[in-house]
Amino acid sequence: GQNIDQPTEMTATEGAIVQINCTYQTSGFNGLFWYQQHAGEAPTFLSYNVLDGLEEKGRFSSFLSRSKGYSYLLLKELQMKDSASYLCAPMDSNYQLIWGAGTKLIIKP
Amino acid sequence: GAVVSQHPSWVICKSGTSVKIECRSLDFQATTMFWYRQFPKQSLMLMATSNEGSKATYEQGVEKDKFLINHASLTLSTLTVTSAHPEDSSFYICSAKGGTSGMRVQETQYFGPGTRLLVL
Repeated sequence: GQNIDQPTEMTATEGAIVQINCTYQTSGFNGLFWYQQHAGEAPTFLSYNVLDGLEEKGRFSSFLSRSKGYSYLLLKELQMKDSASYLCAPMDSNYQLIWGAGTKLIIKP
Repeated sequence: GAVVSQHPSWVICKSGTSVKIECRSLDFQATTMFWYRQFPKQSLMLMATSNEGSKATYEQGVEKDKFLINHASLTLSTLTVTSAHPEDSSFYICSAKGGTSGMRVQETQYFGPGTRLLVL
């Protein structure tokens, strides 16, 4: 079957760094997306990895290891507005995104 | 850019009525549009995938006669919830993906802001 494993909830301090891990199993693989979803809002696109390695985009970076079925999202210089759910969504061989429940990140002052 | 709009943002209706939700890609042509439903504190649930000019593909368990999808153009898809009941109350979100342009990757889904439906 297809599944995604992410921590349900994480807490971090404003100004700090946090890494949100994601392991996945899919039927085929065509890349992996990270989305941010604030409570009560729709998801917004953060990053897309299709090759192994680290992609950096401002305060956010995303890493992929296809052989390990593993990705992480790294958030630096945390701000209160980063409090949200972070969704790891791999794309299978049919180009369908597989959605899990995401990781709820709580930022404390 | 990759902006997707959705209208209306809020709907309150009586049980038995039909509700239409519009999804538009404002600055790109969407080859494919998706309709999701999300209940509180749960993951996104894909309802259907639609391509312009063809019939939508519904996920298992989603009634196609109840959730009518029309994808009339490369920038517009509509979802009609027919004979809505209280259990249809949810957050309905559309997304769109299209051709590669600038920083936009073809397979990236861009989401509309969502529509909250409350059926009384």
